[in-house]
Parts: sequence; structure tokens; C-alpha cells
Amino acid sequence: NAGVTQTPKFRILKIGQSMTLQCTQDMNHNYMYWYRQDPGMGLKLIYYSVGAGITDKGEVPNGYNVSRSTTEDFPLRLELAAPSQTSVYFCASSYEDRGGHYGYTFGSGTRLTVV
Amino acid sequence: AQRVTQPEKLLSVFKGAPVELKCNYSYSGSPELFWYVQYSRQRLQLLLRHISRESIKGFTADLNKGETSFHLKKPFAQEEDSAMYYCALSPSYNTDKLIFGTGTRLQVFP
Repeated sequence: NAGVTQTPKFRILKIGQSMTLQCTQDMNHNYMYWYRQDPGMGLKLIYYSVGAGITDKGEVPNGYNVSRSTTEDFPLRLELAAPSQTSVYFCASSYEDRGGHYGYTFGSGTRLTVV
Repeated sequence: AQRVTQPEKLLSVFKGAPVELKCNYSYSGSPELFWYVQYSRQRLQLLLRHISRESIKGFTADLNKGETSFHLKKPFAQEEDSAMYYCALSPSYNTDKLIFGTGTRLQVFP
């Protein structure tokens, strides 16, 4: 099992450019998430998905879009990159155990700089 | 509002010293609390959760509902404990979203 795989690991974008951050998991987890981590701040939830075809906004969704066409993939799209989107992005997936509790697995992160 | 507060950005101790990483939360219901750790060049991973009442790598954390705290403790720090530690809250036992604190960097000197 590769777990949660994010690509790319690093990227520099110019203002106004667009890009897609890829995230895939091979654990058959229903739940997937995108977080961003700004310097000195905790992780903030951007979008999440409870299953294929279902997505919902988190705490900081503005400027981003997601899709979940398969259980495995949960790409994050930036349409018009802005300097405020300079951050480290983490993808995660989770499963619900028999006790109704969730176990998270995180990707290694994508460091994005918008100049 | 649901919030997790980690007041210390950096905690430095010497090997063998006791460690306490502070975490306070605000939530009116019954939260589930976690500690996540990120070692250098590794991904974020679960260290422990309060419902398990377990000790992982010598760390323990007790949920104190009166003080709304979930401090992480270890009696004797090791150099390999140096990492970034995040306290996180899940608003209820059946929700899948996590709210993270800002993290505390623990440095253990030899």
C-alpha cells in the first residue's frame, strides 16, 4: 500500500495561473480531505468528500475547487492563483472503524508558492 | 466556536527531562481529542487519541473536561522525540472532520 500520494511535492506558480494538486489513495477510504497549512498556523480544512461524487466545503474553500469522480482520487484545483494561496497543502483520507471513530492517513504535502 | 489552542510554538528540553505540551480546546459538546506528530521529512501521523487511553512512545495525554485541556506528557524526553506536535479535535464521536491547533515544535537536546 502506498497510502496517500500527493503530487507534485513543490510548485511555483505565477499570479493568475491555474493548477491541479493531485491526491490518490489506495486504501479504499471513503473520506478524503484537503488541508492547507500556513506558517505558524494550524491545518485548515479546504474541502472534503465523504464518497465518490460527493464533496463539501470546509473552513477556507474560496479560490479552490475539487472533484471526486472515483474513490481513489481527490484533486484540488486552483483556477486563478493568488499570493494568499502560498501554503503547504495536505491531502488526507480516513476510514470509520467499528467504534465509529475515524483514522486519518496524511499525504506528504505539496509546497506551493505563488509569485 | 470550536477551537484548539497550543500556546507554545517551541518547547526546548534536554534529554531525560520531563515534557508537557499544552493543548486547550473550546467546544460545548463531547469532543474527541487527538495528538498528531510530524517528524522531520515525514508526513503527519497519529500519535494517540484520548478514547484509547494508551501510551505511545512513552507519551500519554489525559482529557480534562473541567479545564478543557488535553496536554501531552512524557516523563523522560528522548532526542528522537524532536518533532512538530499538533493537537486536534473532532467535534463529535461520529464526525470525520478535524480541527487542528497551530502546533508546538519540540526540540530535545542531548
